Amino acid sequence: DADVTQTPRNRITKTGKRIMLECSQTKGHDRMYWYRQDPGLGLRLIYYSFDVKDINKGEISDGYSVSRQAQAKFSLSLESAIPNQTALYFCATSDLRGGAETQYFGPGTRLLVL
Amino acid sequence: GNSVTQMEGPVTLSEEAFLTINCTYTATGYPSLFWYVQYPGEGLQLLLKATKADDKGSNKGFEATYRKETTSFHLEKGSVQVSDSAVYFCALRDFGAGSYQLTFGKGTKLSVIP
Repeated sequence: DADVTQTPRNRITKTGKRIMLECSQTKGHDRMYWYRQDPGLGLRLIYYSFDVKDINKGEISDGYSVSRQAQAKFSLSLESAIPNQTALYFCATSDLRGGAETQYFGPGTRLLVL
Repeated sequence: GNSVTQMEGPVTLSEEAFLTINCTYTATGYPSLFWYVQYPGEGLQLLLKATKADDKGSNKGFEATYRKETTSFHLEKGSVQVSDSAVYFCALRDFGAGSYQLTFGKGTKLSVIP
């Protein structure tokens, strides 16, 4: 079974709709992240959380919100989706073992906003 | 601020050819450096990492050496295989600057033909 899972894997929605992307992990990591990937732009950080009570904005948080419901769950919401939020979204977890923090990524959610 | 610059792709090589993907960085502190690989339809996977100057990361025949004097972390493989076809991302984590974010390059797509 995958250590980091994301649901849904694909989603099509309309402008103005509220949607939620979910991420679950079985790795026991405290730290979780949400990124978006756009062609030619690499990955950009949206939000991150170091534990259940800690939420931090990343590079591009506008238009997004998150909820850390439990150590294992971190969800991303688009309150009112717009077409330029069409992208591939990745959840990641991390730990600090080995002297350098290593991030483990989920398989991604492909979102299309019409 | 921190930044990562990778050679632009796509890169197309014949099987058994030598691979180099250039990566240079700018950081205000003392970064750890990473190469991640993304196979088609999947999330990112850590390929290798280096935490201090002159460290060499290696995995699956890939190598990269942390060169502080040239601020570089070039990825190399002596003989590529068709199964190495993927997108490769260079990334840094700048602990010294108090940053908790991974900064990614834009990715380099590698295609290996038989």
